[in-house]
Amino acid sequence: GQQVMQIPQYQHVQEGEDFTTYCNSSTTLSNIQWYKQRPGGHPVFLIQLVKSGEVKKQKRLTFQFGEAKKNSSLHITATQTTDVGTYFCAGPNGGSNYKLTFGKGTLLTVNP
Amino acid sequence: DGGITQSPKYLFRKEGQNVTLSCEQNLNHDAMYWYRQDPGQGLRLIYYSQIVNDFQKGDIAEGYSVSREKKESFPLTVTSAQKNPTAFYLCASLQSPGQAISNQPQHFGDGTRLSIL
Repeated sequence: GQQVMQIPQYQHVQEGEDFTTYCNSSTTLSNIQWYKQRPGGHPVFLIQLVKSGEVKKQKRLTFQFGEAKKNSSLHITATQTTDVGTYFCAGPNGGSNYKLTFGKGTLLTVNP
Repeated sequence: DGGITQSPKYLFRKEGQNVTLSCEQNLNHDAMYWYRQDPGQGLRLIYYSQIVNDFQKGDIAEGYSVSREKKESFPLTVTSAQKNPTAFYLCASLQSPGQAISNQPQHFGDGTRLSIL
């Protein structure tokens, strides 16, 4: 079945350093979504990418969708303590239009 | 999200007991979902429902049951057949008036933490 892999599983940075998490799918995706889950909280939708090679920015966050639409990345510039949390990517499950397959997430911790 | 209410926040289950987790949404969303989250794991789909009176098994449905008698409610029962129920359970919804999920974000509740006594 479809798999969505995320690396790294954990990342610890000093405040002000950059951070990147990568997402790879075993199949071509029609789109990819990114979510953030704060410790003890629930996932919150960040963004959706649809087009091949698409790049979107939200303040210090930059999201990219690969040309082949099988991979994606989230880059945070100059991390802050408020960036702490787990970042998940998710893609439509190939067998259904109503299901998402989530990656296992990358847990980001930031040392102030 | 304020529009999805999960209760209780914490729940303890005794051996051989069935427990029901509540999920209510006032967003007028058509589709609802139940996920299980274990430490260091992503979200795994238990059940989902596209419309009232219809639901489908997800990837890990064994030991769980659901109902969808009302649009706003999608309760999950963790049965005694689920031998390892300790996890964080998340309910989600999205508005899907005939559209594929791929075009819409999911809205999550605050979750229920289930533990075994």
